[in-house]
Amino acid sequence: AQSVTQLGSHVSVSEGALVLLRCNYSSSVPPYLFWYVQYPNQGLQLLLKYTSAATLVKGINGFEAEFKKSETSFHLTKPSAHMSDAAEYFCAVSKYNFNKFYFGSGTKLNVKP
Amino acid sequence: DVKVTQSSRYLVKRTGEKVFLECVQDMDHENMFWYRQDPGLGLRLIYFSYDVKMKEKGDIPEGYSVSREKKERFSLILESASTNQTSMYLCASSLTSGGVDLDEQYFGPGTRLTVT
Repeated sequence: AQSVTQLGSHVSVSEGALVLLRCNYSSSVPPYLFWYVQYPNQGLQLLLKYTSAATLVKGINGFEAEFKKSETSFHLTKPSAHMSDAAEYFCAVSKYNFNKFYFGSGTKLNVKP
Repeated sequence: DVKVTQSSRYLVKRTGEKVFLECVQDMDHENMFWYRQDPGLGLRLIYFSYDVKMKEKGDIPEGYSVSREKKERFSLILESASTNQTSMYLCASSLTSGGVDLDEQYFGPGTRLTVT
């Protein structure tokens, strides 16, 4: 079975500081990996996805994530936080032939002025 | 742009009522999903469907059923609502990719259901 672990249910950073949201997965085969963002009272929106083409993936709004197979990690980063980045972030893993996604428990990002 | 719509943003029902949550997507996607979202638990898959009239149980199907009579519409049914089904319900859809890459899931805005 696949699973996703997001370390830290709440992360707080100052505006302009580095954002680092952690995601580790367990999978018996190289997975497909996704980061989604959820703003208050909205559905989930795709930030970026890893599909084996490149280990460093760039997404929307200045976010990027690096796939590290040796560490089974797919951490999300942004060099400089903006107030508008305050939201909940979900990491998800899937295998192509199942179409099922497994989501982490989410990390709420707070950005302080 | 893919659009996934859900019939209600907020819903209040009484214990024992039969509840229907409707989801419609406009991009001819084969796959549709129902999740519930609870604080600290992330998203948990209730049911999914990969074709019309086809359905598969997800991780927490107990107390729920689904219907997919048309490709664009996927309904979640609570046969007899209970207070522990108070939650945010999210619908999603995705394309079955013919290539190597797995297509992402596109989400609706969610329905916040309260059962009293």
